Amino acid sequence: SQQGEEDPQALSIQEGENATMNCSYKTSINNLQWYRQNSGRGLVHLILIRSNEREKHSGRLRVTLDTSKKSSSLLITASRAADTASYFCATAGLQGAQKLVFGQGTRLTINP
Amino acid sequence: ETGVTQTPRHLVMGMTNKKSLKCEQHLGHNAMYWYKQSAKKPLELMFVYNFKEQTENNSVPSRFSPECPNSSHLFLHLHTLQPEDSALYLCASSPGLQETQYFGPGTRLLVL
Repeated sequence: SQQGEEDPQALSIQEGENATMNCSYKTSINNLQWYRQNSGRGLVHLILIRSNEREKHSGRLRVTLDTSKKSSSLLITASRAADTASYFCATAGLQGAQKLVFGQGTRLTINP
Repeated sequence: ETGVTQTPRHLVMGMTNKKSLKCEQHLGHNAMYWYKQSAKKPLELMFVYNFKEQTENNSVPSRFSPECPNSSHLFLHLHTLQPEDSALYLCASSPGLQETQYFGPGTRLLVL
């Protein structure tokens, strides 16, 4: 299975600190995506990183991809209480007809 | 707002009822999805439609019946549900199968 597995399952930090979440997967991919979900809401796309990219930034978000280790990380810098949410990685396999496969998510809590 | 709408947002139904969930997108996307999200469980992909054709049915019980009359609309018909079917049902769309998915706000379903 190419399913991503997020680590840790839950993370609690103080506001202002950096939060790092990791995603590991098993088979080669075309791209990897990170999503955020506030409680009881739909998921919101954050960043897409392609297999030939190593790092991408978007505001306070930094995503890295290491295809040799089949892993990715999402870093949120200078966290805010509003960053409290669940974060999911999703992988797209090598075959173009393959759908995205979502991991189980990391529950991030930012304490004020 | 992601451009994907879902109705109703909340639904309570008895086990003998028949109801339908509706999803709509006017983003010009070709792929649409139904997901089930239960408490403390990972996101479960139920159905995938690509260019109005069902491309995936993840062993979903027949009491869930999807319908995709056109590329902008997706329905999930519910019939004789069980209490364990209570969950958040999310619809999503994407330009193609491996591209960014745009999620609706979800329908919170409670089966009594």
